[in-house]
Amino acid sequence: NAGVMQNPRHLVRRRGQEARLRCSPMKGHSHVYWYRQLPEEGLKFMVYLQKENIIDESGMPKERFSAEFPKEGPSILRIQQVVRGDSAAYFCASSRDSTEAFFGQGTRLTVV
Amino acid sequence: KQEVTQIPAALSVPEGENLVLNCSFTDSAIYNLQWFRQDPGKGLTSLLLIQSSQREQTSGRLNASLDKSSGRSTLYIAASQPGDSATYLCAVLPPPGNTGKLIFGQGTTLQVKP
Repeated sequence: NAGVMQNPRHLVRRRGQEARLRCSPMKGHSHVYWYRQLPEEGLKFMVYLQKENIIDESGMPKERFSAEFPKEGPSILRIQQVVRGDSAAYFCASSRDSTEAFFGQGTRLTVV
Repeated sequence: KQEVTQIPAALSVPEGENLVLNCSFTDSAIYNLQWFRQDPGKGLTSLLLIQSSQREQTSGRLNASLDKSSGRSTLYIAASQPGDSATYLCAVLPPPGNTGKLIFGQGTTLQVKP
């Protein structure tokens, strides 16, 4: 049973470009969470999704950020018109029943 | 609003020492508490999960305790080794009905010197 898979592991984007981060949850897990870890800061919750539904997006910036978890395929975190302040590690976690969470290796986004 | 604090922020010890990492939380209404390990540039590895009804969990040289009433958890590492060097994060999970999002502390960065 593969763990939570995130890709790419590293992503470099120029200011103004779009960044797409992918997360495939563990088999049998229908709950997906995205967290952001800024340099020298802790992990902050961004969004919680179940298949085809956004359950809680209280941690998502209001503009430029969106997330989806379609019926088929991975969950996608999309950042439009990236700025330098978006540079961070983005972690995905999945859960079978919203209790114990399992994390992926993260995507490290660098905006140049 | 739940807040999680970890003390100390950084710790350096010689190999072989027993050590304690501290985690405190402001709201005792939690579902469970997890301790994670994060190596530089890597993801999070779950070390121990303590349900709110439990007082402690053990895995090898690691022992985590939970005192909900005082809002505290400790991670005890016995006979520390250089391979234990990493950042240790604690996170609390609010009760069901709160969407299951973990609330993390800032972490304690541990260095074990040979």
